[in-house]
Amino acid sequence: KAGVTQTPRYLIKTRGQQVTLSCSPISGHRSVSWYQQTPGQGLQFLFEYFSETQRNKGNFPGRFSGRQFSNSRSEMNVSTLELGDSALYLCASGEAGGSADTQYFGPGTRLTVL
Amino acid sequence: EDQVTQSPEALRLQEGESSSLNCSYTVSGLRGLFWYRQDPGKGPEFLFTLYSAGEEKEKERLKATLTKKESFLHITAPKPEDSATYLCAVHRGLTFGGGTRLMVKP
Repeated sequence: KAGVTQTPRYLIKTRGQQVTLSCSPISGHRSVSWYQQTPGQGLQFLFEYFSETQRNKGNFPGRFSGRQFSNSRSEMNVSTLELGDSALYLCASGEAGGSADTQYFGPGTRLTVL
Repeated sequence: EDQVTQSPEALRLQEGESSSLNCSYTVSGLRGLFWYRQDPGKGPEFLFTLYSAGEEKEKERLKATLTKKESFLHITAPKPEDSATYLCAVHRGLTFGGGTRLMVKP
């Protein structure tokens, strides 16, 4: 079974721009979660989608948004980019999205904001 | 609020020198504790899920155990290829610890 895929793998943007990242979950998985990883803050939860509905949200500003499509694929959008948004953005998928559901991570998208 | 603390932050071992990594957690009703391994520049790779105190799981040189307040990842006779950052996390909307950077010298 193919793993979680994320596109693009690398991205360079300038302050003030917006960016959209894409995630395709493992086949059959219906839950997709997004995380931000930085050297200073570690891995932080952004939000989780299940059956096209946002089910859980971390403590990030409204500039960070996401959506999930009927085929479980998900996109994440960051508007008005700031230098501090430079990070590795990780997507993880799970079968059912419950609290005990194991999540499997993709390779990440490395975003650099100049 | 869920909290996860990992120690030590970094650990250097000689090849074959067994040791343990610690993950302390504070949650209101544990529903799952997860261990991941992460290599530089890559996404975390799933290792284990533990659900209740007393549970143990093993995979090759790794063994994870769980108590009501902490989890341990025991590494037996490590090899250089075990060098990575090991992360533990709790619950959906996973709350992660800061990780333990493990370096195994040949």
